[in-house]
Amino acid sequence: QVQLVQSGAEVKKPGASVKVSCKASGYTFTSYGISWVRQAPGQGLEWMGWISAYNGNTNYAQKLQGRVTMTTDTSTSTAYMELRSLRSDDTAVYYCARVLTMGAFDIWGQGTMVTVSS
Amino acid sequence: QSALTQPASVSGSPGQSITISCTGTSSDVGGYNYVSWYQQHPGKAPKLMIYDVSKRPSGVSNRFSGSKSGNTASLTISGLQAEDEADYYCSSYTSSSTYWVFGGGTKLTVL
Repeated sequence: QVQLVQSGAEVKKPGASVKVSCKASGYTFTSYGISWVRQAPGQGLEWMGWISAYNGNTNYAQKLQGRVTMTTDTSTSTAYMELRSLRSDDTAVYYCARVLTMGAFDIWGQGTMVTVSS
Repeated sequence: QSALTQPASVSGSPGQSITISCTGTSSDVGGYNYVSWYQQHPGKAPKLMIYDVSKRPSGVSNRFSGSKSGNTASLTISGLQAEDEADYYCSSYTSSSTYWVFGGGTKLTVL
């Protein structure tokens, strides 16, 4: 079946970096884009950025520009999201999601909890 | 502050219908037919319920419907059931440098 499986929970110190993976299966990886969405504890969803699995083009949320990098490895059908210079307010569950059309994220990963604490 | 405005909470009794609104601007909701709705139960990943304003993915109950008028989109759930109790988020494509924006979310309580 079509699914996205993410890497496990991470605990990082302020100033460190984290890299979360998202492995796709059940569909042609390069036919869809991947977006990353995060959710701080008790808060709503925040769109972080998008990457084309076809050609690697990216677009990042303005507030994360310069700290986030999204990449893909088409040989393993895996997307990656790296966030640098972590702060306490980066503590959140990070989701990857397949972009169905310009208007929808139809398949979601199970989420990866990233905790930033000294 | 979220880019799209949703009511913080709505409630209804089993069997009733409820509507959740999602208000944006002409740069997002009003400018494109790319509004989607997501259901999220506690501790779970969001689930796509409606896309392209009013389309239902395969497997989603026809009790869920979407519409749009001007800068406001709406999600209607008819025949409320206990399992519909969840948080609901709207999202829209936007012409700004950020491709997509979300609403702040609405907590649906089934009384």
